[in-house]
Amino acid sequence: GDSVTQMEGPVTLSEEAFLTINCTYTATGYPSLFWYVQYPGEGLQLLLKATKADDKGSNKGFEATYRKETTSFHLEKGSVQVSDSAVYFCALSDPGDYKLSFGAGTTVTVRA
Amino acid sequence: NAGVTQTPKFQVLKTGQSMTLQCAQDMNHEYMSWYRQDPGMGLRLIHYSVGAGITDQGEVPNGYNVSRSTTEDFPLRLLSAAPSQTSVYFCASSWRGFLYFGEGSWLTVV
Repeated sequence: GDSVTQMEGPVTLSEEAFLTINCTYTATGYPSLFWYVQYPGEGLQLLLKATKADDKGSNKGFEATYRKETTSFHLEKGSVQVSDSAVYFCALSDPGDYKLSFGAGTTVTVRA
Repeated sequence: NAGVTQTPKFQVLKTGQSMTLQCAQDMNHEYMSWYRQDPGMGLRLIHYSVGAGITDQGEVPNGYNVSRSTTEDFPLRLLSAAPSQTSVYFCASSWRGFLYFGEGSWLTVV
């Protein structure tokens, strides 16, 4: 079945550092790919998405590119802030399917 | 705009007790789902519904029941709580592939 593997955390960074969270997937077709973010004590929010190969999703300074050749969807941000401290989840869904398969989540802590 | 509302936010149960986690959405979404979140395991799908009167099992359905009598409501029932059901539970509704999550229900079974 479909699955998502993302880098294990926790990740601790200083403000203005570069952040990368690796995500790779296994799927039989051409899934849609998502990054969700969970701030402390809150539910998950959609951060960005991509629905086909070479699409780049972006939001709040974060970017991720759908790479079919490497089955990857790595999340990047050039300069993190303390407010970016959260748990980040990579996820996928098959076309036309509402069900999501999630990665295990990566906890990111940004220190001032 | 309330979005997806879950209650209660926190609950402690004794082993063997039953309870219902409530979920309501005001966006008229057909698809709703329940996930549980456990450390190191991401979110796992418990049950889902594609519309009123239609429910189906997800990845980890054992020990849970759901029903969908209206478009707005999708309650999750724990039949006989076990310590393994200690988790954070998230309800979500979906439109055009986007999931909208509630704020979560923290459940502890002792």
